[in-house]
Amino acid sequence: DVKVTQSSRYLVKRTGEKVFLECVQDMDHENMFWYRQDPGLGLRLIYFSYDVKMKEKGDIPEGYSVSREKKERFSLILESASTNQTSMYLCASSHRKVTTGELFFGEGSRLTVL
Amino acid sequence: AQTVTQSQPEMSVQEAETVTLSCTYDTSENNYYLFWYKQPPSRQMILVIRQEAYKQQNATENRFSVNFQKAAKSFSLKISDSQLGDTAMYFCAFMNPPANAGKSTFGDGTTLTVKP
Repeated sequence: DVKVTQSSRYLVKRTGEKVFLECVQDMDHENMFWYRQDPGLGLRLIYFSYDVKMKEKGDIPEGYSVSREKKERFSLILESASTNQTSMYLCASSHRKVTTGELFFGEGSRLTVL
Repeated sequence: AQTVTQSQPEMSVQEAETVTLSCTYDTSENNYYLFWYKQPPSRQMILVIRQEAYKQQNATENRFSVNFQKAAKSFSLKISDSQLGDTAMYFCAFMNPPANAGKSTFGDGTTLTVKP
């Protein structure tokens, strides 16, 4: 089974703190994604990566950065957390050599910024 | 840019009955992929069913089937013989090819409750 693991299910941080959300997948997927999930807004793409050390901005990259130093790991960074970044963050991955297009998701990280 | 609209924020159905979730999308592309994902409470999102736009035949996966109307840009999900385990949020998603790019646009979701 494909497994996408997000390091923290629940985090509480203070405004201005630097926050790291880690995501690891064990199926040698090339593609990795960070989405933000908010009620009534669905999933919105923050950043994605098709290869190591490669990153592309999604639809809402402001206030976020990412790092992909190894193929299996994709980190989302909030340089200075703000209350409007309180949300559920979902990591996903997919196989570049398989054309089904299916995304495999982690369980999510629920971040609260006070 | 593509948009995906799910007009039913919440729905409920009695166990063993059939329910249909609606999804419409907007695109100028001719080739694309459509998906329904399921997110059970406090659990990870998983793929329910997918449809390739060039295929006229509607996709089916056991109790789940779709009604794909390409001209109307409609992609509804039918769940037959609903089970308590079907209680979840369902997301409709659109992807431009190539499918190996994996970049999808999601709707706002429909929360489905199956009642005993």
